[in-house]
Amino acid sequence: KNQVEQSPQSLIILEGKNCTLQCNYTVSPFSNLRWYKQDTGRGPVSLTIMTFSENTKSNGRYTATLDADTKQSSLHITASQLSDSASYICVVRHTNAGKSTFGDGTTLTVKP
Amino acid sequence: NAGVTQTPKFQVLKTGQSMTLQCAQDMNHEYMSWYRQDPGMGLRLIHYSVGAGITDQGEVPNGYNVSRSTTEDFPLRLLSAAPSQTSVYFCASSSTSGGFTDTQYFGPGTRLTVL
Repeated sequence: KNQVEQSPQSLIILEGKNCTLQCNYTVSPFSNLRWYKQDTGRGPVSLTIMTFSENTKSNGRYTATLDADTKQSSLHITASQLSDSASYICVVRHTNAGKSTFGDGTTLTVKP
Repeated sequence: NAGVTQTPKFQVLKTGQSMTLQCAQDMNHEYMSWYRQDPGMGLRLIHYSVGAGITDQGEVPNGYNVSRSTTEDFPLRLLSAAPSQTSVYFCASSSTSGGFTDTQYFGPGTRLTVL
């Protein structure tokens, strides 16, 4: 079982709508949790990074939340645009050894 | 800054051939790593390095070698290519290996097909 589980696996929404992607993890202890956006055929690009003591972090229309007690994180996208179509990856960095565990990603498709 | 660069972008190999995937970064990052990404799966760590002259294995190291002679370069060698190594390979770098706010910068990837 993956230590970082993302849901849904894929999502289709209309342009202008909001959506929320989920990330549940079992990694403990961890130093930070990151959300990446990966466009098709490109490398992942960092959207947000939160330490274990932070609850929320925003980057434009992207807002990530973290609940370290329930080991859940979410990425909320507001007023979606066609360019938001991508895979969104949740990554949890272990405190020891500097290892990171990647979720399998959520593929978001924004349609006009 | 160019960030993290990878070459080649695409490569087709025959089973048993060897090759080297190149990775370079110009951000003076100490930590560099190689991942593979298979369809529908998360990135998996192959090898990583915490500084010049230091390398270590990740989750899926078999069939791959790395070396780190300089801070900038971190090549990945496939010793004898197998169809199971067909994948997209990403190189990444960060300023530290476990800092609270460090982030990894990824290269554009190399799409490798082994026939």
